[in-house]
Parts: sequence; structure tokens; C-alpha cells
Amino acid sequence: EAGVTQFPSHSVIEKGQTVTLRCDPISGHDNLYWYRRVMGKEIKFLLHFVKESKQDESGMPNNRFLAERTGGTYSTLKVQPAELEDSGVYFCASSQLGPANYGYTFGSGTRLTVV
Amino acid sequence: RKEVEQDPGPFNVPEGATVAFNCTYSNSASQSFFWYRQDCRKEPKLLMSVYSSGNEDGRFTAQLNRASQYISLLIRDSKLSDSATYLCVVNKDNDMRFGAGTRLTVKP
Repeated sequence: EAGVTQFPSHSVIEKGQTVTLRCDPISGHDNLYWYRRVMGKEIKFLLHFVKESKQDESGMPNNRFLAERTGGTYSTLKVQPAELEDSGVYFCASSQLGPANYGYTFGSGTRLTVV
Repeated sequence: RKEVEQDPGPFNVPEGATVAFNCTYSNSASQSFFWYRQDCRKEPKLLMSVYSSGNEDGRFTAQLNRASQYISLLIRDSKLSDSATYLCVVNKDNDMRFGAGTRLTVKP
């Protein structure tokens, strides 16, 4: 079974530019989550999709962040325009039933550096 | 107060040592609990779930105390390959909250 796939693995952009991160969940997983870890801080929740619907987007930091999951398969997270404080590692995770009993599987992350 | 608190360490122990990590959480309605392991520049990987009765997986033992809102992880007979950051994770209603992690280095 293929795992959660994220790309790019690294991205370096200038402040004010736009970056789009992509996540391909494990096939058949309805639940898809985006998390972010900034330097020295804990991993923080951004949002949760169930299929193509946003179940919870309470963790999205501001309106510069836009997540989509058209068709309920892969998801994109766009940052526009990027700011220096957006630098960090963006993780995607997916699960079949929700993490209540089994946790979930993370992708290897996208390391975003805004300069 | 943070929702999930962990001692950041680092814990530096010799091979073969026993080491314990602690974690406290603030939401008494939390429903399920996990320990994840994260290697440097890698994604977090599930190490084990934590059950109320306590559970063991080889050299790893996890304990949960709901009354004190406290979770622990015990590693016996530490191996060099155990060196990593250990993340305490607490779930309520499919909302997972992470601790900042405890860094462990096992030395020869």
C-alpha cells in the first residue's frame, strides 16, 4: 500500500510569492489532515477534510492559506502571499476512520523556507 | 497553559539504560492517546497507542492516568536506534493535539 505522499519535499521562495503544496493520501482514506511545525514549536493542526468537505479549518492561521480537496482525493495547500513566519514543515496525514483508535499516517512533509 | 506538555529534554542515556518520559494534558475530555516517534527531518510515526490499563510493546511500556491527566512512556534496554524525538499526542473528537516532543539520545 502506498503511503501518504507529499510534494515538493522542499521549497524555498521569496516573501510575497505563492507556493502550493500537494498531498496524496492513502487510497480510500476519506480523512485528510494538514499540520504544520514551525522551528522549535509543536506540531499544530491546520485543517481536516472528510472527502472533499472541510470538516474543521479552525487551525488555519489566516486568509493567506487556502486548502482544497477537489474530488475528495488529493489536497493542495496554497500560501499566497507567503510571509517569513510561514516557514516550517507542513505535514499531511490521512486515515480511514479518523484517528480515535489508531492514530494516523503522516506524509514525509514539505519543508517550506520563505526568505 | 499548553494543551499537551512534555519535558523537552534532551535525555542522554547509555545503551541498555531505562528511560521514562512524561506528558500531561489539559483537556479532561480527551478520548485517546498516542506516542509518536520522530526522527530528525522525518515525519512522525506512530509508536504506540496508550490504553487506560497500560500497555506494552516489547521494550516499550505506556501508561495513562486519566485522573491526573498524565501519560508516560518507558523504554527499557535502550538501543542506539531509539534516539529520536518522542511526541505525546492527545485526541478528542478526531482533533489531535501534539506535545512539542522529548528528545532522546542513546549513546554507546
